[in-house]
Amino acid sequence: ILNVEQSPQSLHVQEGDSTNFTCSFPSSNFYALHWYRWETAKSPEALFVMTLNGDEKKKGRISATLNTKEGYSYLYIKGSQPEDSATYLCAFRSGKLIFGQGTELSVKP
Amino acid sequence: SAVISQKPSRDICQRGTSLTIQCQVDSQVTMMFWYRQQPGQSLTLIATANQGSEATYESGFVIDKFPISRPNLTFSTLTVSNMSPEDSSIYLCSVGRGPYEQYFGPGTRLTVT
Repeated sequence: ILNVEQSPQSLHVQEGDSTNFTCSFPSSNFYALHWYRWETAKSPEALFVMTLNGDEKKKGRISATLNTKEGYSYLYIKGSQPEDSATYLCAFRSGKLIFGQGTELSVKP
Repeated sequence: SAVISQKPSRDICQRGTSLTIQCQVDSQVTMMFWYRQQPGQSLTLIATANQGSEATYESGFVIDKFPISRPNLTFSTLTVSNMSPEDSSIYLCSVGRGPYEQYFGPGTRLTVT
C-alpha cells in the first residue's frame, strides 16, 4: 500500500510569519508529485506539479522543492497572509493520485 | 485548465436513501474521476469513469454502492446508494488533462443522518 504523509497536520501562524510543510512519499516508482491548495467550499487549486529530482518551483510567495531519492517535498510560504489560510494537499502520482491527509494552515491577522 | 461544477453543493440525507451527484465540465475530457474525503481522512479515489466504457472501481468500492454514469465527454454522475452515516463525506469530481494535469470540482458535502 502506497502511503503519503504530510506534517504537520495543522499550523497556526501570525500574519507575516514564514512557514513550511513536509510531504513524504514512496521513493520508488515515482512519476510526479502534486501540491494543491484547498479552501473550504472551493475546488482544490493546483499549485505545482513536480517531476524531477531537485525540482524547485515558485508561485508568488509560495515555493516547493522535491527530493525523489529520499521521498520528500517541502512547501514554503514566505510572509503568510490571512488569505493563505487553507488546507494544503500533496499527492503522489503513481498511475493514480494518492493524497496525503493535508496540512491545515490558519494565518491570524 | 478545466472548470468543473457539481450539484448539489451540499445535502443532508436520511439513512437508507440514495443521492445522485452531478459533475459538469466546461470542455470535453476523456478521463473523469470520483473521489471521497471522509472526515479526518485523505482524499481517496472511488473510481475512474471514461466515456464509452464501464467505470473502474478502486479496492473497497463497488458498483452497487456507487453506480456511475458517463453519458458524454462533459458530464458524469455518481450515486451514493442505501446511505449510512459512514457515507458522510465530501465527494469530488475530477478530470485529467495530459500526463500531469488534474483538476477538481468544488465538492458535494454529504451528511447522512
